Amino acid sequence: DIVMTQSPSSLAVSAGETVTINCKSSQSLLYSGNQKNYLAWYQQKPGQSPKLLIYWASTRQSGVPDRFIGSGSGTDFTLTISSVQAEDLAIYYCQQYYDTPPTFGAGTKLELK
Amino acid sequence: QVQLKESGPVLVQASETLSLTCTVSGFSLTNYGVIWVRQPPGKGLEWMGIIWRNGNTDYNSALKSRLSINRDTSKSQVFLKMNSLQTDDTAIYYCTRDPEGYGYYFDYWGQGVMVTVSS
Repeated sequence: DIVMTQSPSSLAVSAGETVTINCKSSQSLLYSGNQKNYLAWYQQKPGQSPKLLIYWASTRQSGVPDRFIGSGSGTDFTLTISSVQAEDLAIYYCQQYYDTPPTFGAGTKLELK
Repeated sequence: QVQLKESGPVLVQASETLSLTCTVSGFSLTNYGVIWVRQPPGKGLEWMGIIWRNGNTDYNSALKSRLSINRDTSKSQVFLKMNSLQTDDTAIYYCTRDPEGYGYYFDYWGQGVMVTVSS
């Protein structure tokens, strides 16, 4: 199975800051046939189910604010949240879908400083 | 609008079989696949398996010997059965939707059902 490693595991931020969450895969998620990276990001708030934020590494899901930006290629990916708001406090997961089974990172918890 | 809702017992005895139902609305099971994902308390997410829009299934190899997923398209329901439960099967079980038909990422999620396996 492809192993997804996220860093940091937790992050304390103040409202208005820009934060970066990293995700590294144990093998490349870039498919040469279509030059797409098979990676998604989810947000999970306490007591809620995960919510899809980003797919194809950088495509925002409908309704997701543009302060959420996905980037990266190959094995290294980043979720950037600009001007963090209190409502963004959650756990963020990356997920690869290059190979079966799809696998998730362990999560990055965004907390208020 | 698209909705998924899990239902089933919240407490199961070890060695017994778990049966869960995912009832969907706002889309047809013949057009979209449905995936089961679980999350142990305080831990990460595990992909369990998928029932494709054509009714075929694929399972996580770690669970394959214990897991089966079926559906009733007329009732818009997907069923999960997993036998020989152990305490480490205690988790929130979610059903989710596959928007592209390839089992890639998951756009709508149910609220989840917390299942506790008691020894």
